[in-house]
Amino acid sequence: QSVLTQPPSVSGAPGQRVTISCTGSSSNIGAGYDVHWYQQLPGTAPKLLIYGNSNRPSGVPDRFSGSKSGTSASLAISGLQAEDEADYYCQSYDSSLSGYVFGTGTKVTVL
Amino acid sequence: QVQLVQSGAEVKKPGASVKVSCKASGYTFTGYYMHWVRQAPGQGLEWMGWINPNSGGTNYAQKFQGWVTMTRDTSISTAYMELSRLRSDDTAVYYCARGDNYYDSSGYYTYYFDYWGQGTLVTVSS
Repeated sequence: QSVLTQPPSVSGAPGQRVTISCTGSSSNIGAGYDVHWYQQLPGTAPKLLIYGNSNRPSGVPDRFSGSKSGTSASLAISGLQAEDEADYYCQSYDSSLSGYVFGTGTKVTVL
Repeated sequence: QVQLVQSGAEVKKPGASVKVSCKASGYTFTGYYMHWVRQAPGQGLEWMGWINPNSGGTNYAQKFQGWVTMTRDTSISTAYMELSRLRSDDTAVYYCARGDNYYDSSGYYTYYFDYWGQGTLVTVSS
């Protein structure tokens, strides 16, 4: 019962741009807490993709970008590649729960 | 390079306890909080809590309070997560994750998880 809602799946052809939304509320994203994004390839541990809404760690391609507005955040993947097929999760802090929360997760499929 | 290496898979009976270890290397163990996250089969990620390796202080998610215990041994740079009174729905992969932190633009002190262990599968079955 995650408090951050993501679409279950998105898909796109190679080279296309896809976006994943992460919708929260006034006790998490809407309260001003930053959003971070993780990529989980099949059978592996999650990997940090975006931190602080829009910052990429060293080594993450600039095809990945993040943004935040109001009670939502978004992850965009441009120039979609076959290796981008994975599950993606947003993460923030929730003041009502006094803890960290993850989104429901989105599976990206490259057609 | 930063590495978090976790202990191997466990099979437990309902009602038992399990203790998972996470050995850190490549950085100062006491300089970063260690978080624990679990993922049930085919499900999403669930934050369980953190331990401050420097002080031993802990903060558990409301759902896990009274049920999880996080400890550390600084002499061997290892964090532990023990879950008691196991049930079948505790079957999951348990991850340790290093927490990096900063003050965000709203003035909040926030964490994200920059390095993760490989995960430990805990199976609870009679």
